[in-house]
Amino acid sequence: AQSVSQHNHHVILSEAASLELGCNYSYGGTVNLFWYVQYPGQHLQLLLKYFSGDPLVKGIKGFEAEFIKSKFSFNLRKPSVQWSDTAEYFCAVNAGNYGGATNKLIFGTGTLLAVQP
Amino acid sequence: NAGVTQTPKFRVLKTGQSMTLLCAQDMNHEYMYWYRQDPGMGLRLIHYSVGEGTTAKGEVPDGYNVSRLKKQNFLLGLESAAPSQTSVYFCASSSPRGAIPYEQYFGPGTRLTVT
Repeated sequence: AQSVSQHNHHVILSEAASLELGCNYSYGGTVNLFWYVQYPGQHLQLLLKYFSGDPLVKGIKGFEAEFIKSKFSFNLRKPSVQWSDTAEYFCAVNAGNYGGATNKLIFGTGTLLAVQP
Repeated sequence: NAGVTQTPKFRVLKTGQSMTLLCAQDMNHEYMYWYRQDPGMGLRLIHYSVGEGTTAKGEVPDGYNVSRLKKQNFLLGLESAAPSQTSVYFCASSSPRGAIPYEQYFGPGTRLTVT
């Protein structure tokens, strides 16, 4: 069965530090990849998405992610975090036969990021 | 556009009680989904619908039922609530059939506690 792994469960950074959150998926075919963010007490919002083309995807609020097909990875990065980036981050995959016409997503377990001022 | 809305926002139930969560979207989306979010487990799909009058089971459907009588609404029912159903429930909707699979749009969530 397809799965998504986020190895960093809880990350604590100081403001201005660089961020990289890992995401790996298990599926050998065509995938669509997403990063969602959930700020405290709020619903999930889309940060960025990859469908095809340039594997380096830029999203909102200075975030970017790189799709590396050979590593089955879609890591999220930000050069300099701010206190307002404190949130939970979810990687999700819409994978071929699983997603298909239903557009179902498989979510990772999430990474809780705390940025200290 | 209000996007995706959910009612109620909070609810406390006693074991064995029933309730219905309502999700509504005004984006004319064909697809709708119900998830539950539990600490350390991410979001897990309960049920989903690919169109009015159709529903299907997701990853964790037991103890829940759904209905999609109108395209804009997707109801999640708990027939006999159990403490294991204490969770935050999110509804989402997605792009029309046949389009590139776009992202899902999420509602604000319903926090349910079963005592």
